[in-house]
Amino acid sequence: QVQLQESGPGLVKPSETLSLTCDVSGVPISTHDWWTWVRQPPGKELEWIGEIHHSGNIDNYHPSLKSRVSISVDNSRNQVSLKVNSVTAADTAIYYCAMASHYRIDLWGQGTLATVSS
Amino acid sequence: QSALTQPASVSGSPGQSITISCTGTSSDVGSYNYVSWHQHLPGKAPKLLIYDVSNRPSGVSDRFSGSKSGNTASLTISGLQPEDEGVYHCYSYTSTTAYVFGGGTKVTV
Repeated sequence: QVQLQESGPGLVKPSETLSLTCDVSGVPISTHDWWTWVRQPPGKELEWIGEIHHSGNIDNYHPSLKSRVSISVDNSRNQVSLKVNSVTAADTAIYYCAMASHYRIDLWGQGTLATVSS
Repeated sequence: QSALTQPASVSGSPGQSITISCTGTSSDVGSYNYVSWHQHLPGKAPKLLIYDVSNRPSGVSDRFSGSKSGNTASLTISGLQPEDEGVYHCYSYTSTTAYVFGGGTKVTV
């Protein structure tokens, strides 16, 4: 059974970097095309952050976040990571790791709440 | 890229059918047959229900069906059951941001 489990610090100070990890179990990362991060701020709609190919060679990001976001894969640890730089309160959200292919999201993690506050 | 438009809530009685709409634009829903729906039950990870407008992944009940007309996609839940209570999101592939999501519809049985 494939499972995705996000983890992170929970609380980050403004202007700092938010770092989240997604542990993938039940399948090697290399067996699925795209690994994606999506977030949902409180009371707002879901927002696609970006994606990375399992090879780590191709990534795509939401235009509004591209300058502050990076996604990486670690095939040896079977992990996908997300970094968001220079965070503000607007980055407070539930962050979801997801497995995607063929223009759809096949599997989601349960999400982890990241709060930006001093 | 604007979010897709969904009704905030839909309710129905057990056994009834309900339909949730998802309205986008000619840049997303209207241009691609890559509309998906997922179900988000309390305390659980979101689950893919429908992909490519009307296809169900293995294991998803045939009570769930999808369709599309123009810029609007729809999810129909037939034979509504109490365990269907939750939030349903639509999303579409777009050429600019990969995916654009609806605001979610809370289904009450």
